[in-house]
Amino acid sequence: QVQLVESGGGVVQPGGSLRLSCVASRFTFSNYGMHWVRQAPGKGLEWVSFIRYDGGNEYYADSVKGRFTISRDNSKNTLYLQMNSLRVEDTAVYYCAKVLGRGALDIWGQGTVVTVSS
Amino acid sequence: EIVMTQSPATLSVSPGERATLSCRASQSVSSNLAWYQQKPGQAPRLLIYGVSTRATDIPARFSGSGSGTEFTLTISSLQSEDFAVYYCQQYNNWPPWTFGQGTKVEIK
Repeated sequence: QVQLVESGGGVVQPGGSLRLSCVASRFTFSNYGMHWVRQAPGKGLEWVSFIRYDGGNEYYADSVKGRFTISRDNSKNTLYLQMNSLRVEDTAVYYCAKVLGRGALDIWGQGTVVTVSS
Repeated sequence: EIVMTQSPATLSVSPGERATLSCRASQSVSSNLAWYQQKPGQAPRLLIYGVSTRATDIPARFSGSGSGTEFTLTISSLQSEDFAVYYCQQYNNWPPWTFGQGTKVEIK
C-alpha cells in the first residue's frame, strides 16, 4: 500500500546536525507536495516545513527558519530535512506526510526520533 | 497566523455513547479544515478533510461539520478503538499550517 518511511533520527548534541530522509512508495511522489511535522514528547503536533511537488517552493515554521532545509529528489522518491544548529527544543518525533488536494495530510510515515541532548 | 483552539482538552465517554469535539479558528478557514486521530505510539491518521469528507476507510460513525471558524467532530457511537487523541488542522491560510492542541477521548 501507499507508504512513507522515515529514517535518519538519532541522538545529537546541541549545535549538531542531522539529515532526515523519507522514502515514498506506491504513489507518484513527484505529483504531491510534502510536509514535515514534529511532535515533542507528550505534546501536540507542530508543522515544521513544506515543499511543493516540484521543489519549487519551500516554507518553514519560524522556530526552524534559517536552521532547517527541506528538499526532495523526485528521481529517488525521497524527501529530506537537513537540520543544523540543533537545539534541545528540537527534540521530537519527526513525521513526513503527503498532501491531499488543498492541504490535508493523508499519508504519514511512522516517524523518526530526534533527541538533542548534551 | 491562525490559532486553532480545541475543546475540551479531555472528554470522558462510555463505549457506545456519542462524543462531540470542538475546534475554533481565530479567523475564518473557509472549508479547509481537517481532523486527525492519533493513538499512543502511532502516527496521526487523517479522518476528515474539507470539514466533512471522510478519508479512505474511515467508518461512517465519524462525521464533521461547521464552517468559517467553528467546527465539530462527532463520533456517533464510541468503539473501543476510538479512544485516542484528536487534532484539528487548518490549511486555508499558510504558512504556517496550524493544528489545535488536541482533545483526548478517554474511557469513562
